[in-house]
Amino acid sequence: DIQMTQSPASLSASLEEIVTITCQASQDIGNYLSWYQQKPGKSPQLLIHSATSLADGVPSRFSGSRSGTQYSLKINRLQVEDTGIYYCLQHYSAPDTFGAGTKLELK
Amino acid sequence: QVQLKESGPGLVQPSETLSLTCTVSGFSLTSYSVSWVRQPSGKGPEWMGRMWYDGDTAYNSALKSRLSISRDTSKNQVFLKMNSLQTDDTGTYYCTRDHLDTEAAFDYWGQGVMVTVSS
Repeated sequence: DIQMTQSPASLSASLEEIVTITCQASQDIGNYLSWYQQKPGKSPQLLIHSATSLADGVPSRFSGSRSGTQYSLKINRLQVEDTGIYYCLQHYSAPDTFGAGTKLELK
Repeated sequence: QVQLKESGPGLVQPSETLSLTCTVSGFSLTSYSVSWVRQPSGKGPEWMGRMWYDGDTAYNSALKSRLSISRDTSKNQVFLKMNSLQTDDTGTYYCTRDHLDTEAAFDYWGQGVMVTVSS
């Protein structure tokens, strides 16, 4: 199985700050990587697909990038509504595997 | 619009079988695949398996011996059956629309159904 190592596990940041979350894949997964935000009691919501493409309706302060087998989610100018848990997910080969999650809080 | 809704019993006895239904609307099961994902409380999600658009299935090897996924395209439903449930199978179960060909993502999720395994 492909392992997705996500960091940091938790993060506290200030309003308007730039936040970066990373996922390291244990092998090449190409661009078969997506990012999700989950609020308490809610389903995960798609933010980024194909590693770098913004999902419909997602604010442009979110962006995704890739460098080899390392993937990053960047949030520019953090807003109150961006708190929650973020997960990466690889779809390159079954079983699809999630990162362990990053809990993002406001400082 | 695209919608997925999970349904099934909230409480299952240990060693018994869980049966869940995902009813979809706004898209065809012969055009998109559907996955089942579960999430224990306070933990990360786990992909369980997939009903491909062509009727094929794929399973997480960790669950494969206990899991079966099927569908009824005429009713727009995908089914999950998992046997020999234990307490660590407790959690929220989601179905997702898989948009893997051009987007590599689960672009829509159901609201989830909470399943508790307890006697």
